[in-house]
Amino acid sequence: DQQVKQNSPSLSVQEGRISILNCDYTNSMFDYFLWYKKYPAEGPTFLISISSIKDKNEDGRFTVFLNKSAKHLSLHIVPSQPGDSAVYFCAASPISSGSARQLTFGSGTQLTVLP
Amino acid sequence: DVKVTQSSRYLVKRTGEKVFLECVQDMDHENMFWYRQDPGLGLRLIYFSYDVKMKEKGDIPEGYSVSREKKERFSLILESASTNQTSMYLCASSPWTGKGATNEKLFFGSGTQLSVL
Repeated sequence: DQQVKQNSPSLSVQEGRISILNCDYTNSMFDYFLWYKKYPAEGPTFLISISSIKDKNEDGRFTVFLNKSAKHLSLHIVPSQPGDSAVYFCAASPISSGSARQLTFGSGTQLTVLP
Repeated sequence: DVKVTQSSRYLVKRTGEKVFLECVQDMDHENMFWYRQDPGLGLRLIYFSYDVKMKEKGDIPEGYSVSREKKERFSLILESASTNQTSMYLCASSPWTGKGATNEKLFFGSGTQLSVL
């Protein structure tokens, strides 16, 4: 039973437009959320995070939105660039865990930004 | 520049072979992890170590063991490789940030694509 779900395996967007990647979770104990980006032949790298005390966190072109009542978060990339083409993983943990051991990953979404 | 290095990028082994996957980090991190990545399943934690000679089972430890004799090195061992262990294996590390604190920002290696024939 996947506790973190990314229901879209792939997404294609035109350069300059907005990319919206979605993630749903089922465990109500999750209160800290992260996005990782993975290029082919490289390991995932941390992109942005949000704790449940916020509903939005912004870092440059990347914004993560959290809707706790819907148990849903989304990553917005504006404007999208070809270099953003990668697999994006959503991850979640209970903040009280004090340990990265509790991190649960989604299955990933392949974003392709078309020039 | 922080670095997690995995010894092999690609590995091909036969069923029943003993396989060692090596990982070294140069960031003096206390925590080290082994994940496997499979299509449609994301990253799943195999084993975790929070200190030298300490280890904890992750979500899918069956068929695997680990060794951490030195802080910078974390090895994943497949005692008798099977075809269902064909996968991308990712090593990661993170610093310990204190009791009650959180640190889910992992630093990953480039991965080892293991094929078991």
